[in-house]
Amino acid sequence: QSALTQPRSVSGSPGQSVTISCTGTSSDVGGYNHVSWYQQYPGKVPKLTIYDVNKRPSGVPGRFSGSKSGNTASLTISGLQAEDEADYYCCSYAGDYTYVFGTGTKVTVL
Amino acid sequence: QVQLVGSGGGVVQPGGSLRLSCAASGFTFSSFGMHWVRQAPGKGLEWVAFIWYDGSNKYYIDSVKGRFTISRDNSKNTVYLQMNSLRAEDTAVYYCAKGSFSVASALDSWGQGALVTVSS
Repeated sequence: QSALTQPRSVSGSPGQSVTISCTGTSSDVGGYNHVSWYQQYPGKVPKLTIYDVNKRPSGVPGRFSGSKSGNTASLTISGLQAEDEADYYCCSYAGDYTYVFGTGTKVTVL
Repeated sequence: QVQLVGSGGGVVQPGGSLRLSCAASGFTFSSFGMHWVRQAPGKGLEWVAFIWYDGSNKYYIDSVKGRFTISRDNSKNTVYLQMNSLRAEDTAVYYCAKGSFSVASALDSWGQGALVTVSS
């Protein structure tokens, strides 16, 4: 049950694209197509942004997309906007109804 | 819309106990599994526990097994987290979260969190 590995921070200018990686093992990320991503503003509640690797809940802008290759999942924010500045966490199903979160990434809009 | 309201947080001494509650509304509570997730001050999210829709099965992160118990009362639309033998490292904001229709997929709605501080 070790946390998934994410970069501490990524940054980009408005309009650019940024990608956040999330690396796990074959027991979690690599073993299931159940990776989700959560956006969290400081002092606020996390919000589901992507589920099942690449599906967007209703209301989430289309500039958010997800993918996975092997033991690494990724979240891409295309056309970065000021309001996207937040912390982002990946989460993977790890079998037997257990879950593991990533270490978190701070996205900064320059 | 889905609403999850957590309560029961506070300050407790090491070795003490506390029970968190999370009242749900806006969805058919008895049809969905529920989670507890915690976040230590300035740290990341950590999944803590999950309970099936009917309460028949429960799952925990290793660090709380034998100390924490998740339960639910579907007649009251409420999920609980009983925390015993608390340690300083249990200090965190505890969020309840609703499991998605496909249980493994995601935690699709979150409550506002309850702060638990373990300190002498």
